[in-house]
Amino acid sequence: DTEVTQTPKHLVMGMTNKKSLKCEQHMGHRAMYWYKQKAKKPPELMFVYSYEKLSINESVPSRFSPECPNSSLLNLHLHALQPEDSALYLCASSQDPDTSLSNEKLFFGSGTQLSVL
Amino acid sequence: QKEVEQNSGPLSVPEGAIASLNCTYSDRGSQSFFWYRQYSGKSPELIMFIYSNGDKEDGRFTAQLNKASQYVSLLIRDSQPSDSATYLCAVISRNNDMRFGAGTRLTVKP
Repeated sequence: DTEVTQTPKHLVMGMTNKKSLKCEQHMGHRAMYWYKQKAKKPPELMFVYSYEKLSINESVPSRFSPECPNSSLLNLHLHALQPEDSALYLCASSQDPDTSLSNEKLFFGSGTQLSVL
Repeated sequence: QKEVEQNSGPLSVPEGAIASLNCTYSDRGSQSFFWYRQYSGKSPELIMFIYSNGDKEDGRFTAQLNKASQYVSLLIRDSQPSDSATYLCAVISRNNDMRFGAGTRLTVKP
């Protein structure tokens, strides 16, 4: 299994809703990432989990709350989002954050296209 | 100065030509460099990675790295219409996180 699976593929939510994005990989990767990508822009790093612990938080607003229940799963909990948060949310994983940099090849999921109304 | 810079394009080449995509980076301590291809509405897909100065070839793709000039490029030989996509340059900084360039949109015309 060489896939990173994200659900749902599409999500429409109101500004008062609470929803969660889910990501799963079974490649034994120990680093998992959330990226946000606006149309025609590059992916922007949001969070990095290394060995199930949050290692990087790129000053993301608290309305985004990541969670890593185990080494295969990564969630992104959403609450009180704004319309400008509408974007493609990409999950990625890489093999081992502690090995040499040459192993940091990211495998991306297909993303969740989020629309906030 | 942006950490990773690319010409946003669009870059248009005829089918069968060589497409040349360029990328510069600001962190001289960067050691790993990647090219991702992203079709519209899809997630990025890794095409090439390079760590050492010089050229690395894989099929129709050649990555070139010049650390002294902080420059990495991707050449696509015999370009096909199916190569039309946005190409993202990515660099692992000394902080060990991956930063993307803005991407270059490539169009290969039949």
